[in-house]
Amino acid sequence: SAVISQKPSRDICQRGTSLTIQCQVDSQVTMMFWYRQQPGQSLTLIATANQGSEATYESGFVIDKFPISRPNLTFSTLTVSNMSPEDSSIYLCSTKEAGGAETQYFGPGTRLLVL
Amino acid sequence: EDKVVQSPLSLVVHEGDTVTLNCSYEVTNFRSLLWYKQEKKAPTFLFMLTSSGIEKKSGRLSSILDKKELSSILNITATQTGDSAIYLCAVERPGNQFYFGTGTSLTVIP
Repeated sequence: SAVISQKPSRDICQRGTSLTIQCQVDSQVTMMFWYRQQPGQSLTLIATANQGSEATYESGFVIDKFPISRPNLTFSTLTVSNMSPEDSSIYLCSTKEAGGAETQYFGPGTRLLVL
Repeated sequence: EDKVVQSPLSLVVHEGDTVTLNCSYEVTNFRSLLWYKQEKKAPTFLFMLTSSGIEKKSGRLSSILDKKELSSILNITATQTGDSAIYLCAVERPGNQFYFGTGTSLTVIP
């Protein structure tokens, strides 16, 4: 299974600032995703990070607010821009191999608190 | 609109008890249903179910899918404090889309 690391593991930020979260995988993976888990909520898919092209965003999420990069098959970043307290959440990077759904793995997450 | 609903939202039991967690879904083009255990932050995979009526088992955990009722249950027997976690149900659609339920928070008291 893929081993996924995220940086930072947690951060406290002021409203109006931006934070970039990094996701590193120990092997080349076909697909990478970014999820958000707000307090008391389940995981919500933000976008699919596409290697070499623009990310594919889910309804309710836009590139200006959550720009994503994926320069290669092992690395991706998610930026949370112009943060507000409503962005306080856990942000999880996920990978999936070609094949069944059981090949989806999650990173340890980044816990973000916006004051 | 696609949705995944889990019940109960939270559960507190004593060690040794047996628990049953429920997941129901309304998802078009269903491919599979997955159960995850989430401790601290990262969910870890437990089971993937694609066929109705076939129980999957791993130690004290087992799960089964009922496609007619659009639901699944996760059973944990002889619970231990280490089973305390949030249990997430997710349904897979084509295109690698996963819809997650809100989870069931399980607390096992010694």
